[in-house]
Amino acid sequence: QVQLVQSGAEVKKPGASVKISCKASGYSFTSNWMHWVRQAPGQGLEWMGVINPTGTKTVYAQRFQGRVVMTRDVSTTTDYMELSSLIPDDTAVYFCARDHSRGNSWWFDPWGQGTLVFVSS
Amino acid sequence: SSELTQDPAVSVALGQTVRITCQGDSLRTYSASWYQQKPGQAPVLVIYGENNRPSGVPGRFSGSNSGNTASLTITGAQAEDEADYYCKSRDSSGDPWVFGGGTKLTVL
Repeated sequence: QVQLVQSGAEVKKPGASVKISCKASGYSFTSNWMHWVRQAPGQGLEWMGVINPTGTKTVYAQRFQGRVVMTRDVSTTTDYMELSSLIPDDTAVYFCARDHSRGNSWWFDPWGQGTLVFVSS
Repeated sequence: SSELTQDPAVSVALGQTVRITCQGDSLRTYSASWYQQKPGQAPVLVIYGENNRPSGVPGRFSGSNSGNTASLTITGAQAEDEADYYCKSRDSSGDPWVFGGGTKLTVL
């Protein structure tokens, strides 16, 4: 079955970077874009960005421009999201999610299990 | 920037019908998708393309769109439907994808 398995929890100090992985299986990896979404404790979902199937194009949310880099390794069917210059407000669970689209509809399915990133001095 | 607005909390009696709404200008152009999230879990897709259910999602879940409002309806709510529900839409201004703030559904 289609699965997205993310890397484990991370604890980082302010100013550091974190790189999270999302290993895809059960489908043709180069058929779908991949999104990244985060959720701060007790808060809602926030879209961060997306990478295209071949890894040659990315679109990032305005608030993360210059601080986030999304990449993918087609040979290992793994996506990566690196967030730099971390601050405590970056403490959140980070999810990857596979993109689907048809006509004027877009949806995310499935989602990875989430990766907790805790930023504290 | 574009926004999708949801009521923060909604309650429903067991077995009754509840509608969760999502408002935003982008919904005049793009269909919403809906996600259920239970505590400590990843979101799960429940409705896409206005009113399509992924396999495994019970038939009591349905979706609709009218003007700038998308709705998720649960007909005969069950205890296991208690969760947070998020709408999401594509957008042509600001960020290309946007989520609603989420609605916490309580089943009484």
